[in-house]
Amino acid sequence: NAGVTQTPKFRILKIGQSMTLQCTQDMNHNYMYWYRQDPGMGLKLIYYSVGAGITDKGEVPNGYNVSRSTTEDFPLRLELAAPSQTSVYFCASAYGGGRTEAFFGQGTRLTVV
Amino acid sequence: KQEVTQIPAALSVPEGENLVLNCSFTDSAIYNLQWFRQDPGKGLTSLLLIQSSQREQTSGRLNASLDKSSGRSTLYIAASQPGDSATYLCAAGSSNTGKLIFGQGTTLQVKP
Repeated sequence: NAGVTQTPKFRILKIGQSMTLQCTQDMNHNYMYWYRQDPGMGLKLIYYSVGAGITDKGEVPNGYNVSRSTTEDFPLRLELAAPSQTSVYFCASAYGGGRTEAFFGQGTRLTVV
Repeated sequence: KQEVTQIPAALSVPEGENLVLNCSFTDSAIYNLQWFRQDPGKGLTSLLLIQSSQREQTSGRLNASLDKSSGRSTLYIAASQPGDSATYLCAAGSSNTGKLIFGQGTTLQVKP
């Protein structure tokens, strides 16, 4: 079982560069989430999606964009990377959103220099 | 706006102790409360999920309780072991939006 797969695992970006963090799930889950985790902190919700074609902002959406063209994929786009975006990014999925168990990917460690 | 708080931020106990981790949330309109474990440098593993209609859930040495009216959940770990050392996070699932909002976590160290 693949579950939730994130790529890449590690990435170093220069200030001003752009990149896309990939997330795919094979559980046919409707809900997908992107979080960031700063050192010693909990997870902050960036964006989430309740189904293909539907996305909404979370707690810290500035500097990020998402799209959800299929049920399986939920990429996170960083435009004009800034040092404040240095963090570990986690993607998660759940069948029924806040109603059911969430499954997490292994994370992408991003450093902006 | 849902806010989730976990106390304490860190905890160090000797092996064998029973311990309680606390989680509080501001919006009682939750569908469930989930507890996760995170090992250093790793992703999150789901431990327990309590539906809003339930009072508690048990898995082995772990017991989680939920009191929606007071906005509190606790995770009880019995007979702690060094392998329990990790960060424990709680997350409140919104019944309206489907959002999952996390607390900042409690980092537990169990000393042999």
